Amino acid sequence: EAGVAQSPRYKIIEKRQSVAFWCNPISGHATLYWYQQILGQGPKLLIQFQNNGVVDDSQLPKDRFSAERLKGVDSTLKIQPAKLEDSAVYLCASSSGRGQGLFSYEQYFGPGTRLTVT
Amino acid sequence: DQQVKQNSPSLSVQEGRISILNCDYTNSMFDYFLWYKKYPAEGPTFLISISSIKDKNEDGRFTVFLNKSAKHLSLHIVPSQPGDSAVYFCAASSFRASYDKVIFGPGTSLSVIP
Repeated sequence: EAGVAQSPRYKIIEKRQSVAFWCNPISGHATLYWYQQILGQGPKLLIQFQNNGVVDDSQLPKDRFSAERLKGVDSTLKIQPAKLEDSAVYLCASSSGRGQGLFSYEQYFGPGTRLTVT
Repeated sequence: DQQVKQNSPSLSVQEGRISILNCDYTNSMFDYFLWYKKYPAEGPTFLISISSIKDKNEDGRFTVFLNKSAKHLSLHIVPSQPGDSAVYFCAASSFRASYDKVIFGPGTSLSVIP
């Protein structure tokens, strides 16, 4: 079974530039998550999709961040314009979703994209 | 407001000894807990979980204990091996919530010394 794919793995941009990250979840997984992980902290949920609908985007800075999930499969997270404090690792994860048993809460993570804003 | 706390940022243990990683939570709605392990430059991977109907769950060298009254859980690794050196995240969720949101703690970096 192929894992969660993310690209790019690394990105360096200047502040006020824009950047986009791509995620391909595990086939058949209904739920897709984007997390921001700042060094020394745990992953913080930015947005959660159930199929192609948004379940939670309460911590997404909507003035600069946007995300979409195309046809309930791939997803893109965009930052425009970037700020210095956006430097972090952006993790995408997927899960089979509620109702699939206890392991529906088990999330499978991609390798992440390390973003550096200078 | 941190709902999931891991008060030890780092832990160092000798190979073969027991590693104990602690986690505290504040939200009494949480009833399902997970531990994830993360190596550098990789995403976190699921390790073990426990539901609030249990107070212990074992999987090989890994055991998680849950004390609901104290809102505390711990991960025991016995015996510890150098390959266990990683960052461990405690996470919590609630079956009673309208959706399966998981809250992560800040992590504990474990070093197992050969």
